[in-house]
Amino acid sequence: GAGVSQSPRYKVAKRGQDVALRCDPISGHVSLFWYQQALGQGPEFLTYFQNEAQLDKSGLPSDRFFAERPEGSVSTLKIQRTQQEDSAVYLCASSFLPSGSRDEQFFGPGTRLTVL
Amino acid sequence: KQEVTQIPAALSVPEGENLVLNCSFTDSAIYNLQWFRQDPGKGLTSLLLIQSSQREQTSGRLNASLDKSSGRSTLYIAASQPGDSATYLCAVSKAAGNKLTFGGGTRVLVKP
Repeated sequence: GAGVSQSPRYKVAKRGQDVALRCDPISGHVSLFWYQQALGQGPEFLTYFQNEAQLDKSGLPSDRFFAERPEGSVSTLKIQRTQQEDSAVYLCASSFLPSGSRDEQFFGPGTRLTVL
Repeated sequence: KQEVTQIPAALSVPEGENLVLNCSFTDSAIYNLQWFRQDPGKGLTSLLLIQSSQREQTSGRLNASLDKSSGRSTLYIAASQPGDSATYLCAVSKAAGNKLTFGGGTRVLVKP
Protein backbone atom coordinates (compact mmCIF):
# COMPACT_ATOMS: atom_id res chain seq x y z
CA GLY A 1 0.00 0.00 0.00
CA ALA A 2 1.20 3.44 0.98
CA GLY A 3 4.81 4.35 1.57
CA VAL A 4 6.46 5.34 4.83
CA SER A 5 4.64 8.21 6.54
CA GLN A 6 5.87 10.53 9.25
CA SER A 7 4.14 13.07 11.46
CA PRO A 8 4.27 15.88 12.12
CA ARG A 9 6.01 17.13 8.98
CA TYR A 10 7.19 20.25 10.80
CA LYS A 11 7.71 20.87 14.50
CA VAL A 12 8.85 24.03 16.24
CA ALA A 13 9.81 23.61 19.87
CA LYS A 14 11.13 25.95 22.49
CA ARG A 15 14.40 24.93 24.04
CA GLY A 16 13.72 22.57 26.93
CA GLN A 17 10.47 21.17 25.55
CA ASP A 18 9.93 17.48 24.90
CA VAL A 19 8.92 16.34 21.40
CA ALA A 20 7.62 13.09 19.93
CA LEU A 21 8.01 12.17 16.27
CA ARG A 22 5.97 9.37 14.71
CA CYS A 23 6.82 6.95 11.91
CA ASP A 24 4.41 4.57 10.15
CA PRO A 25 6.47 2.08 8.12
CA ILE A 26 5.33 0.19 5.06
CA SER A 27 2.99 -2.62 6.15
CA GLY A 28 4.86 -5.89 6.66
CA HIS A 29 8.30 -4.31 6.85
CA VAL A 30 10.33 -5.88 9.61
CA SER A 31 13.17 -3.36 9.84
CA LEU A 32 12.77 0.26 10.87
CA PHE A 33 15.52 2.88 11.01
CA TRP A 34 15.74 6.45 12.27
CA TYR A 35 18.25 8.89 10.78
CA GLN A 36 19.09 12.53 11.53
CA GLN A 37 19.95 14.90 8.70
CA ALA A 38 21.57 18.26 9.41
CA LEU A 39 21.26 21.01 6.82
CA GLY A 40 23.45 20.38 3.80
CA GLN A 41 24.69 16.99 5.01
CA GLY A 42 23.87 13.34 4.43
CA PRO A 43 21.64 11.49 6.91
CA GLU A 44 23.28 9.90 9.94
CA PHE A 45 22.05 6.73 11.63
CA LEU A 46 20.33 7.01 15.01
CA THR A 47 18.72 3.67 15.83
CA TYR A 48 17.37 0.40 14.34
CA PHE A 49 14.47 -1.92 15.17
CA GLN A 50 13.78 -5.42 13.96
CA ASN A 51 10.09 -5.91 14.75
CA GLU A 52 9.73 -4.56 18.31
CA ALA A 53 13.35 -5.21 19.31
CA GLN A 54 15.73 -2.26 19.31
CA LEU A 55 18.88 -3.96 18.05
CA ASP A 56 21.13 -0.94 17.60
CA LYS A 57 20.93 2.43 19.30
CA SER A 58 24.57 3.36 18.88
CA GLY A 59 23.76 6.51 16.89
CA LEU A 60 21.58 8.20 19.49
CA PRO A 61 23.54 11.35 20.41
CA SER A 62 22.57 11.49 24.07
CA ASP A 63 20.30 9.96 26.69
CA ARG A 64 17.77 12.67 25.85
CA PHE A 65 16.91 10.64 22.75
CA PHE A 66 14.64 7.63 23.13
CA ALA A 67 12.90 5.46 20.53
CA GLU A 68 10.32 2.72 20.76
CA ARG A 69 8.34 0.37 18.53
CA PRO A 70 6.18 -1.52 21.04
CA GLU A 71 4.06 -3.57 18.63
CA GLY A 72 6.57 -3.93 15.83
CA SER A 73 4.88 -1.46 13.50
CA VAL A 74 4.58 2.25 14.37
CA SER A 75 7.64 3.83 15.96
CA THR A 76 8.09 6.98 18.01
CA LEU A 77 11.29 8.96 18.46
CA LYS A 78 11.20 11.10 21.58
CA ILE A 79 13.60 13.90 22.38
CA GLN A 80 13.55 15.26 25.91
CA ARG A 81 14.63 18.77 26.92
CA THR A 82 15.31 19.80 23.33
CA GLN A 83 18.36 21.90 22.55
CA GLN A 84 19.19 24.05 19.54
CA GLU A 85 21.64 21.47 18.21
CA ASP A 86 18.74 19.02 17.90
CA SER A 87 17.37 21.10 15.00
CA ALA A 88 17.47 18.82 11.96
CA VAL A 89 15.32 16.68 9.72
CA TYR A 90 14.50 13.31 11.25
CA LEU A 91 14.01 10.59 8.66
CA CYS A 92 12.44 7.19 9.13
CA ALA A 93 13.06 4.26 6.79
CA SER A 94 11.76 0.70 6.61
CA SER A 95 12.77 -2.47 4.80
CA PHE A 96 11.29 -5.93 4.37
CA LEU A 97 14.29 -8.05 5.41
CA PRO A 98 13.51 -11.68 4.75
CA SER A 99 16.67 -13.73 4.43
CA GLY A 100 18.42 -13.15 1.12
CA SER A 101 16.40 -10.07 0.12
CA ARG A 102 17.79 -6.98 -1.51
CA ASP A 103 17.12 -5.16 1.77
CA GLU A 104 16.22 -1.90 0.07
CA GLN A 105 15.36 0.87 2.51
CA PHE A 106 12.37 3.13 1.77
CA PHE A 107 12.27 6.54 3.35
CA GLY A 108 9.49 8.75 4.66
CA PRO A 109 9.25 12.50 3.98
CA GLY A 110 10.89 13.39 7.29
CA THR A 111 10.03 15.65 10.19
CA ARG A 112 11.77 19.01 10.23
CA LEU A 113 12.44 19.97 13.86
CA THR A 114 13.37 23.54 14.72
CA VAL A 115 14.35 24.32 18.29
CA LEU A 116 14.23 28.00 19.19
CA LYS B 1 34.64 2.82 10.52
CA GLN B 2 33.05 3.15 7.09
CA GLU B 3 33.37 6.56 5.46
CA VAL B 4 31.54 7.56 2.28
CA THR B 5 32.63 10.52 0.17
CA GLN B 6 30.89 12.17 -2.76
CA ILE B 7 32.77 14.49 -5.05
CA PRO B 8 31.95 17.07 -6.29
CA ALA B 9 29.67 18.55 -3.65
CA ALA B 10 27.88 20.56 -6.32
CA LEU B 11 27.60 20.36 -10.09
CA SER B 12 25.97 22.60 -12.69
CA VAL B 13 25.47 21.45 -16.28
CA PRO B 14 23.48 22.60 -19.33
CA GLU B 15 20.42 20.58 -20.28
CA GLY B 16 21.23 17.57 -22.46
CA GLU B 17 24.67 16.94 -21.04
CA ASN B 18 25.40 13.60 -19.37
CA LEU B 19 25.90 13.64 -15.60
CA VAL B 20 28.59 11.64 -13.81
CA LEU B 21 28.36 11.47 -10.03
CA ASN B 22 31.05 9.78 -7.96
CA CYS B 23 30.88 7.93 -4.66
CA SER B 24 33.77 6.33 -2.79
CA PHE B 25 33.80 4.26 0.38
CA THR B 26 36.68 3.18 2.60
CA ASP B 27 35.59 -0.35 3.62
CA SER B 28 34.98 -2.65 0.65
CA ALA B 29 33.09 -5.22 2.79
CA ILE B 30 29.64 -3.95 1.82
CA TYR B 31 26.32 -5.76 1.41
CA ASN B 32 24.75 -3.30 -0.98
CA LEU B 33 24.93 0.27 -2.23
CA GLN B 34 21.94 2.53 -2.84
CA TRP B 35 21.66 5.75 -4.79
CA PHE B 36 18.98 8.21 -3.67
CA ARG B 37 17.54 11.46 -4.93
CA GLN B 38 16.45 14.19 -2.52
CA ASP B 39 14.46 17.23 -3.57
CA PRO B 40 14.52 20.33 -1.33
CA GLY B 41 12.44 19.82 1.80
CA LYS B 42 11.58 16.25 0.86
CA GLY B 43 12.58 12.75 1.88
CA LEU B 44 14.81 10.35 -0.03
CA THR B 45 13.67 8.55 -3.16
CA SER B 46 15.51 5.32 -3.94
CA LEU B 47 16.89 5.34 -7.49
CA LEU B 48 19.02 2.21 -7.78
CA LEU B 49 20.27 -0.53 -5.48
CA ILE B 50 23.35 -2.56 -6.38
CA GLN B 51 24.05 -5.71 -4.41
CA SER B 52 27.69 -6.47 -3.62
CA SER B 53 27.81 -9.29 -6.19
CA GLN B 54 26.64 -7.00 -9.01
CA ARG B 55 28.69 -4.67 -11.21
CA GLU B 56 25.93 -2.35 -12.39
CA GLN B 57 22.21 -1.56 -12.39
CA THR B 58 20.20 0.37 -14.96
CA SER B 59 16.86 2.11 -14.86
CA GLY B 60 15.84 4.27 -17.79
CA ARG B 61 18.37 7.08 -18.21
CA LEU B 62 20.14 6.05 -14.99
CA ASN B 63 23.04 3.64 -14.76
CA ALA B 64 25.04 2.89 -11.64
CA SER B 65 28.28 0.93 -11.57
CA LEU B 66 30.02 -0.66 -8.60
CA ASP B 67 33.70 -1.52 -8.21
CA LYS B 68 33.73 -3.00 -4.74
CA SER B 69 37.44 -3.78 -4.62
CA SER B 70 38.39 -0.15 -5.27
CA GLY B 71 35.56 1.22 -3.14
CA ARG B 72 33.85 3.19 -5.87
CA SER B 73 30.46 3.65 -7.45
CA THR B 74 29.43 5.96 -10.25
CA LEU B 75 25.95 7.15 -11.15
CA TYR B 76 25.47 8.15 -14.78
CA ILE B 77 22.43 10.16 -15.85
CA ALA B 78 22.09 10.40 -19.61
CA ALA B 79 20.74 13.44 -21.44
CA SER B 80 20.09 15.49 -18.31
CA GLN B 81 16.87 17.49 -17.93
CA PRO B 82 15.99 20.42 -15.64
CA GLY B 83 13.80 17.99 -13.67
CA ASP B 84 16.95 16.08 -12.72
CA SER B 85 18.00 19.00 -10.52
CA ALA B 86 18.21 17.64 -6.97
CA THR B 87 20.71 16.32 -4.44
CA TYR B 88 21.96 12.80 -5.11
CA LEU B 89 23.13 10.68 -2.18
CA CYS B 90 24.88 7.34 -2.12
CA ALA B 91 24.84 5.01 0.86
CA VAL B 92 26.31 1.62 1.74
CA SER B 93 25.27 -1.06 4.18
CA LYS B 94 27.52 -3.64 5.81
CA ALA B 95 25.00 -6.47 6.11
CA ALA B 96 21.32 -7.28 5.63
CA GLY B 97 19.24 -5.30 8.11
CA ASN B 98 22.16 -2.99 8.76
CA LYS B 99 22.20 0.78 8.87
CA LEU B 100 23.09 2.85 5.83
CA THR B 101 26.20 5.02 5.89
CA PHE B 102 25.69 8.05 3.64
CA GLY B 103 27.91 10.36 1.71
CA GLY B 104 27.40 14.10 1.92
CA GLY B 105 25.59 14.24 -1.41
CA THR B 106 26.13 16.00 -4.73
CA ARG B 107 23.83 18.94 -5.43
CA VAL B 108 23.01 18.98 -9.14
CA LEU B 109 21.60 21.88 -11.15
CA VAL B 110 20.60 21.30 -14.76
CA LYS B 111 20.18 24.61 -16.55
CA PRO B 112 17.60 24.90 -19.35
